[in-house]
Amino acid sequence: DQQVKQNSPSLSVQEGRISILNCDYTNSMFDYFLWYKKYPAEGPTFLISISSIKDKNEDGRFTVFLNKSAKHLSLHIVPSQPGDSAVYFCAASANNQGGKLIFGQGTELSVKP
Amino acid sequence: DAGITQSPRHKVTETGTPVTLRCHQTENHRYMYWYRQDPGHGLRLIHYSYGVKDTDKGEVSDGYSVSRSKTEDFLLTLESATSSQTSVYFCAISDYLGRMNTEAFFGQGTRLTVV
Repeated sequence: DQQVKQNSPSLSVQEGRISILNCDYTNSMFDYFLWYKKYPAEGPTFLISISSIKDKNEDGRFTVFLNKSAKHLSLHIVPSQPGDSAVYFCAASANNQGGKLIFGQGTELSVKP
Repeated sequence: DAGITQSPRHKVTETGTPVTLRCHQTENHRYMYWYRQDPGHGLRLIHYSYGVKDTDKGEVSDGYSVSRSKTEDFLLTLESATSSQTSVYFCAISDYLGRMNTEAFFGQGTRLTVV
């Protein structure tokens, strides 16, 4: 039972354009959502997060949108750069659950020059 | 970067042998986690710890045990390794405060191959 799903295993985008990565969840108890970026042979690095009391959080080129009614979040990267090429994981957690993160399967983003 | 060190970084072991992976942190965070990463599954939680000698199971805990005798060290043990435990293992730490969620920081990973 996959509580967090990333249905697109891969995404290819041209440099300078927008990258949109999507994530769906099923557990209505999730109230905190995160995106991690992972390069090969490295650990995941935290990118951006959003609390369920918000519908948008922005940090430089990265914006996360949350649609609670649809149980859907997305990560927008504008403009995309070749260095953004990596695997992106979305994750979710529920309050009072020890900070445990439930991850999606990941989406491999390729930004072409 | 968060001070997390995993050892070893790579290991090949034979089926049926015991294996211990170590995670060491210098951040004095209370919470520590072990995840495994497999294609098509993302990262899945194996066990986590919320303090010295305080641990609990995650999603995929069968075949694994953990111990935490000091704040800075969290050990993951495969009592009798199987081929299905071939994976990349990540340790993570968090200064989770109980009522407020926060991000976790990950180590570099340990690639374990069971032959």
